[in-house]
Amino acid sequence: GQNIDQPTEMTATEGAIVQINCTYQTSGFNGLFWYQQHAGEAPTFLSYNVLDGLEEKGRFSSFLSRSKGYSYLLLKELQMKDSASYLCAVRDRGGSYIPTFGRGTSLIVHP
Amino acid sequence: NAGVMQNPRHLVRRRGQEARLRCSPMKGHSHVYWYRQLPEEGLKFMVYLQKENIIDESGMPKERFSAEFPKEGPSILRIQQVVRGDSAAYFCASSPTDASYEQYFGPGTRLTVT
Repeated sequence: GQNIDQPTEMTATEGAIVQINCTYQTSGFNGLFWYQQHAGEAPTFLSYNVLDGLEEKGRFSSFLSRSKGYSYLLLKELQMKDSASYLCAVRDRGGSYIPTFGRGTSLIVHP
Repeated sequence: NAGVMQNPRHLVRRRGQEARLRCSPMKGHSHVYWYRQLPEEGLKFMVYLQKENIIDESGMPKERFSAEFPKEGPSILRIQQVVRGDSAAYFCASSPTDASYEQYFGPGTRLTVT
């Protein structure tokens, strides 16, 4: 199984940059996901990392270090609509490719 | 192209009643996953199904919970004799293949047990 840790809550200011960290422990890493979930809504896919390095997609970037069991999601030019929960999920090599989700980080963006 | 559909969006049941949650995957998707989310907690995997087959039910409680994905129609998550602890948001997700890295989530069904 996996053990996934991410901060419970973070706050930031509109226009700023925020980094949300995720650490994990797994017996056979096979990919890490970031999802965004607004209150009362479905999670939506943001990024997928399976190799080390930075993946950039518009204002959002995701970084992975497999040797350190570490990932972060970087959000630039924050907007009020970015206030949401950000879920880190890790997939193990064994089993049926089902990702295990962390508890999520609630990001609050202030004007 | 319609996304993953779930109904009902909200369901209220008294203790001891049965709850039936429905999920229609995205068009072209034959793999369905059910998750449960409790307040302040992450998504917990329950069961993974393909048409007429349960592939992985390692997250399903041993009693009262069952799931199916028939050849025709939506996937159903069934909870018998509900208890207050079953109150949660239940999300369904679908993917086109078993090796797909991306799952598409439905809007969820919020079950309240009174």
